[in-house]
Amino acid sequence: KAGVTQTPRYLIKTRGQQVTLSCSPISGHRSVSWYQQTPGQGLQFLFEYFSETQRNKGNFPGRFSGRQFSNSRSEMNVSTLELGDSALYLCASSLGSGGERFTDTQYFGPGTRLTVL
Amino acid sequence: AQSVTQLDSHVSVSEGTPVLLRCNYSSSYSPSLFWYVQHPNKGLQLLLKYTSAATLVKGINGFEAEFKKSETSFHLTKPSAHMSDAAEYFCAITGNQFYFGTGTSLTVIP
Repeated sequence: KAGVTQTPRYLIKTRGQQVTLSCSPISGHRSVSWYQQTPGQGLQFLFEYFSETQRNKGNFPGRFSGRQFSNSRSEMNVSTLELGDSALYLCASSLGSGGERFTDTQYFGPGTRLTVL
Repeated sequence: AQSVTQLDSHVSVSEGTPVLLRCNYSSSYSPSLFWYVQHPNKGLQLLLKYTSAATLVKGINGFEAEFKKSETSFHLTKPSAHMSDAAEYFCAITGNQFYFGTGTSLTVIP
């Protein structure tokens, strides 16, 4: 079974631009979560989508948004990029059977490395 | 509220010696706990998972962890370190999201 895939793997943008990252979950998984990983803040939860609906949300500004399609693929968008948005963005998929409380194992993709200049 | 604390930001061991990475947790209910490993420029790989079935959990690559409710701990161990074990290790607990610890960087000295 194919794992979680993320595209692109690397991105370089300038301040003020916007960016869209894509995530394809493991087949059969309906939940997709996004995380931001930085050396200073570690792994921070952005949001989770299940059946095309945002089910949980972390503490990030509205510039960070996402969506999920009917085939469970997900995209994450960051508008008006800031230098501090430079990070590794990780996507994780799971069955999502636990409702709003996570119970299933999350499987992670390789991440997208975003650099903002 | 759910949280985990990884007690060591960095651990250094010699190849062939035991590994101990410590994780304490706080939970409002019976938790699910995980250990993940991250090699440089890679995503997180699941090592093992505790879901209340057995307190001693065996994972991949010879790792295991023991859930101790009385100590609110879920420490990760391996009897003999290998060079390929050098990586960042994350403990995590579930709630309405995955709550990750700050990570422990493991160095293996040849």
